[in-house]
Amino acid sequence: AQSVTQLGSHVSVSEGALVLLRCNYSSSVPPYLFWYVQYPNQGLQLLLKYTSAATLVKGINGFEAEFKKSETSFHLTKPSAHMSDAAEYFCAVTGIQGAQKLVFGQGTRLTINP
Amino acid sequence: EADIYQTPRYLVIGTGKKITLECSQTMGHDKMYWYQQDPGMELHLIHYSYGVNSTEKGDLSSESTVSRIRTEHFPLTLESARPSHTSQYLCASSDGAGLGTEAFFGQGTRLTVV
Repeated sequence: AQSVTQLGSHVSVSEGALVLLRCNYSSSVPPYLFWYVQYPNQGLQLLLKYTSAATLVKGINGFEAEFKKSETSFHLTKPSAHMSDAAEYFCAVTGIQGAQKLVFGQGTRLTINP
Repeated sequence: EADIYQTPRYLVIGTGKKITLECSQTMGHDKMYWYQQDPGMELHLIHYSYGVNSTEKGDLSSESTVSRIRTEHFPLTLESARPSHTSQYLCASSDGAGLGTEAFFGQGTRLTVV
C-alpha cells in the first residue's frame, strides 16, 4: 500500500522568499513521486516527477524537489516565490504494480504575500 | 500538450436527475481515471480503466458508474443525483507505457446537486 502525507494544509510566504512544501511518502515498492499544481477552477498540471534517476528533480516554473529515501521525503522548493505561484499543490505516489494509480496527499494551499 | 476534455465544466441539477459527465482524450492513452475532489481539496480515486471494456472501482466508494467502450471516451454516470454527490470530478489519463508515467488531467466538472 502507498500513501502520501503533506505537512501543512496552508503555507504562506512573502514574494521573493523561499518556498518549501513538505511531502513524506510510504510505499512497499520503489516509489514514483510527483508534484502537481492546481490553479483555481482548473485541473492538475504536472510540476515534476521522480522516477529513480537523479534524486534532485527540476520542474517547470523554477520548482525542484529532492528525493530522500532515508527520510522518505520528496519536498518541493523554489528559491524565490512569485505572486503567480499562489495555487494548490499536491504530492502523489505510484508504484510499479497495479494500474499505476496515483495516490494523492491532502494538498497544500500556497499563499504569496506582496 | 495534454488533450483531455471534460464537459460540462459546471452543472447544477436537481435531486433525482440522471447525469453523465463526459471525458475524452485524444492522446490514445490506455489508462483513464476519475477522481472526486472534496471541498477540502483532497482527491480520491473513484474509478479507473486499463483499456477498452475494462473498468474497476477505485479507493473511494462511489454510487456512480463508468463505461469504456472506446479508448478515447470514459463517461461517468449518476443514475439519481443527490446533494451528497456535490463535488468536483476530475478525469485523467496516462499511457502507462513506462513506469512512472504521469497522468494528464482535464479541467474538471464542478457538480452541484440541489
